[in-house]
Amino acid sequence: AQSVAQPEDQVNVAEGNPLTVKCTYSVSGNPYLFWYVQYPNRGLQFLLKYITGDNLVKGSYGFEAEFNKSQTSFHLKKPSALVSDSALYFCAVREFNQAGTALIFGKGTTLSVSS
Amino acid sequence: ETGVTQTPRHLVMGMTNKKSLKCEQHLGHNAMYWYKQSAKKPLELMFVYSLEERVENNSVPSRFSPECPNSSHLFLHLHTLQPEDSALYLCASSQEGTGGPDTQYFGPGTRLTVL
Repeated sequence: AQSVAQPEDQVNVAEGNPLTVKCTYSVSGNPYLFWYVQYPNRGLQFLLKYITGDNLVKGSYGFEAEFNKSQTSFHLKKPSALVSDSALYFCAVREFNQAGTALIFGKGTTLSVSS
Repeated sequence: ETGVTQTPRHLVMGMTNKKSLKCEQHLGHNAMYWYKQSAKKPLELMFVYSLEERVENNSVPSRFSPECPNSSHLFLHLHTLQPEDSALYLCASSQEGTGGPDTQYFGPGTRLTVL
């Protein structure tokens, strides 16, 4: 069965510092990985995805994520955090070519960036 | 968020009421989804429609009834709900094809409160 783990409920960083939000996954086949962000009382906004190819994926708002197959991880990173990055972040996985199935989401990590 | 719209944004209903949530996608996608987001749980998939046919139903109680009249519209009919059904209900859409699954785009959600 597919699963996603976000081991940290909350990550605190100071503005200007690098940030990392962790995600590990478990699938039986090739993974299809996503990061989404959710601001209060809003829907989820797509940040980036990994299908195949380069292990470093660049997305919206300066975020990037590194796919590591041996560690089954897909950590979200940003070199310099902004206060406006404070939000709830979700990692999600889906097995490649599993048409008609939906994403499996992690429980979410709250990112708090202090000024 | 204008690609996927949801109405109403907020809904308060009693346990004996009948109401419906509406979702419309303007992206030309062929798959639509209902998710439930509760305060203390990860996002839960409720229903998946691909090419207007229900593909997946994750053992959702019968008091929730989906309807997908065409590829652009998705409804969630609610009746005799329980207070524990209070949550944010999110709609999403994606384009499914032979090349594999594509990104899901989410609406802003309907905040449901059951009294």
